Amino acid sequence: AQSVTQLGSHVSVSEGALVLLRCNYSSSVPPYLFWYVQYPNQGLQLLLKYTSAATLVKGINGFEAEFKKSETSFHLTKPSAHMSDAAEYFCAVSPGSYGGYKYIFGTGTRLKVLA
Amino acid sequence: DTGVSQNPRHKITKRGQNVTFRCDPISEHNRLYWYRQTLGQGPEFLTYFQNEAQLEKSRLLSDRFSAERPKGSFSTLEIQRTEQGDSAMYLCASSSDGDTQYFGPGTRLTVL
Repeated sequence: AQSVTQLGSHVSVSEGALVLLRCNYSSSVPPYLFWYVQYPNQGLQLLLKYTSAATLVKGINGFEAEFKKSETSFHLTKPSAHMSDAAEYFCAVSPGSYGGYKYIFGTGTRLKVLA
Repeated sequence: DTGVSQNPRHKITKRGQNVTFRCDPISEHNRLYWYRQTLGQGPEFLTYFQNEAQLEKSRLLSDRFSAERPKGSFSTLEIQRTEQGDSAMYLCASSSDGDTQYFGPGTRLTVL
């Protein structure tokens, strides 16, 4: 079975500061891991994904995440926050071919960027 | 590539009525997924199709819910005898390679 825990339902950072959104996963099979962003009243947009290749994954808009198997983590970071980064962020795990590629999402982290 | 589209974007209905939502995936994507997202929560998996075959249904999908993908292209999700607890955002996603899903804008259902 798979599960995802996102620590911190709300995170506030100052514009220009480091963004760190935490995600821990549980998976009985080699996981695929994803970060999606959701703006109000919109669907989810893929930021980046890990599918067993490089453990440091770079995504769009300057975001990156590192897969750490020993810590079962896949935290999302961005060196310098922009006002436009304010949104809700979801981490998801997928069992891949072991389970139809369906996603199991965390409960989300709402990022607020302060001017 | 026009992206995944969903219609309607918003639906308000009275308890006990039936509703149907449509999802048009990215063309030639063979996999199509439905998720439900309630306020303050992440999306929850409901069901998925590979071409026209429905391969998995979540326990969340009660007998009042039915989904189809008759020709392996668009899909419909029907909810019969709606209840207030069905109020949520219903998201559709499609994929071609299995691992990356592309999401539509969702249909927000409000049951009065």
